[in-house]
Amino acid sequence: GENVEQHPSTLSVQEGDSAVIKCTYSDSASNYFPWYKQELGKGPQLIIDIRSNVGEKKDQRIAVTLNKTAKHFSLHITETQPEDSAVYFCAASMGGGSYIPTFGRGTSLIVHP
Amino acid sequence: GAVVSQHPSWVICKSGTSVKIECRSLDFQATTMFWYRQFPKQSLMLMATSNEGSKATYEQGVEKDKFLINHASLTLSTLTVTSAHPEDSSFYICSARWESEQYFGPGTRLTVT
Repeated sequence: GENVEQHPSTLSVQEGDSAVIKCTYSDSASNYFPWYKQELGKGPQLIIDIRSNVGEKKDQRIAVTLNKTAKHFSLHITETQPEDSAVYFCAASMGGGSYIPTFGRGTSLIVHP
Repeated sequence: GAVVSQHPSWVICKSGTSVKIECRSLDFQATTMFWYRQFPKQSLMLMATSNEGSKATYEQGVEKDKFLINHASLTLSTLTVTSAHPEDSSFYICSARWESEQYFGPGTRLTVT
């Protein structure tokens, strides 16, 4: 089955800095890669996703890049703010009707004001 | 759109009793819902996939007689933890699939005393 590795497990940055979280996946058939943000005591919220036919996607301060050849994808957050502090999970799946994502272990992002 | 609710948000019960958690898709119909369990500072562990009108598919190692799942309608799935024990204490999160994306509920904190 699919295996998703996520690094780092903890990331501490100063407000205004950029943050990068990286994930690798093992199954070359995976074609859908969502990122979720989970605040304390809440469920994960989809913040951005990318499909395998796209190399990069951007939404305001967040962007995701995908390298299919190397089987890795990354989340980039620019101009970080304290409210960005949360746990971020990457996931990989084959999408479509059999969409059961495999999650990474999560990255705890701490943005210091 | 694509809002998923859970009820209750937290519950405390005595060992040996059963607890039911509801998951509802509020503004869309979900033929497939998922149930996850999350331990503190850990990733989401898929427990089962729930399809409307049919039996749930449980992941390996999840006791189907202990975690009863019912997906009776396109907007409601329930998870019943039967004969709960302290080791069942956890954060339970449901999600629903809509248009190839997965939307999570806010989670239910279960504490078994």
